[in-house]
Order: sequence, then structure tokens, then C-alpha cells
Amino acid sequence: DAKTTQPPSMDCAEGRAANLPCNHSTISGNEYVYWYRQIHSQGPQYIIHGLKNNETNEMASLIITEDRKSSTLILPHATLRDTAVYYCIVRVAGTNAGKSTFGDGTTLTVKP
Amino acid sequence: DSGVTQTPKHLITATGQRVTLRCSPRSGDLSVYWYQQSLDQGLQFLIQYYNGEERAKGNILERFSAQQFPDLHSELNLSSLELGDSALYFCASSVAGGAPGELFFGEGSRLTVL
Repeated sequence: DAKTTQPPSMDCAEGRAANLPCNHSTISGNEYVYWYRQIHSQGPQYIIHGLKNNETNEMASLIITEDRKSSTLILPHATLRDTAVYYCIVRVAGTNAGKSTFGDGTTLTVKP
Repeated sequence: DSGVTQTPKHLITATGQRVTLRCSPRSGDLSVYWYQQSLDQGLQFLIQYYNGEERAKGNILERFSAQQFPDLHSELNLSSLELGDSALYFCASSVAGGAPGELFFGEGSRLTVL
């Protein structure tokens, strides 16, 4: 699986958009970009994923560059409850998609 | 609630001992993954099973082993425990089978080795 690079920490004001970048310059054509977050020591929670196109769901938007070497997770209106560690991973779909290696992630702190 | 159940939630044991962690995947999910998260560390992938068969292996120690049973639940066995094995152990499941299924994580089993 391709490795990802994320900034170790970011701050965001409550109510503002949080933009979390991820670099995955060695991504393969069949690898998807996934975002998860982990609040304190709870189990990681799936946020969103994409292959080529930008994606949006009720939680966030995912912007993937045309060359697919980087992506940005956007939380449109961050709340205090969005304070968490955000992980960007790339993985292949299918039964052999096991080696989903999580990096150190980005610790997002939403401030009042 | 992700639908993935892990037991026990907390476990305290001594060095040299052996423990078994159990995971029940979401209904219908065929793949089970195990991760280890030491204090203030990221998630380290240990091993994946798909429909009873081992599919991928990460940096899993030889003292650790896992299996997935016919009813799809999985167990992670940790033996000859050392202080450094103290960690959160997460189980995740996914549909797999060609679809880009996301991973659904349980709440973890916190192992403390004294």
C-alpha cells in the first residue's frame, strides 16, 4: 500500500471550515483514498473515500487532485466534537485489501 | 455503534501470560482485520482474514496468532506477553469481495501487561 504524509497537527476555529491535507504521491491506479478519524481512544470512524472524483457526504467533502497524488478532507463547519486524529490511508479494494497502513495522522483541534 | 463487537474491553495480566481477544464482525462482513495501537502511536496493521483464510499479514510478532472461525468471528491470541505488548487492540471488518468497502472498527480491547 502507498504511504501517506499528513501534517502532525492543525487548529481550526469553531464554525469555520477545516481543510486537512494528505500527500500520497506513490498511489497506484487501483488504490482508493480513505479518511478516518479517531476521537480519543475510541475505534476509528470511517468518514469518506474516493478514487478519482471529488466526493461529498453528510460528514465531509473529499477533494482529490487530478494526478491523485494528494487530497484534502474538508469539514465544512467544524464543531468542538470534530476534535480528533484524522487518518488518511490508501488501500486497494477487494479481499486482499488488508494492509491498510495508518500513519500518524493529523491531530485536529477545534477551538471555540 | 459500528456493529463490530470486541471482548473483553479491558484486560490486565502479567508478563509471560497468554490472552485471547475476540472479535465479532458486522453481520455479513467476511473480512476481519486486527490492529495494534500502543500509547500515542498510530494503528499498526497486524493481520487480515477473509472468510476463514489468512489474506494479509503485517508486522505481527511470532508470539501472536489469529484465526477466523466458520461463523466469521475471529480471535487474536497473544502469548509470552511482554510489557511492550500493552496496547489497544482493534478489530475491524469490511464487506470486501471487490467493493471498496470501508473498515468498521470495534471499540477495542485495552490490554495492560504488568
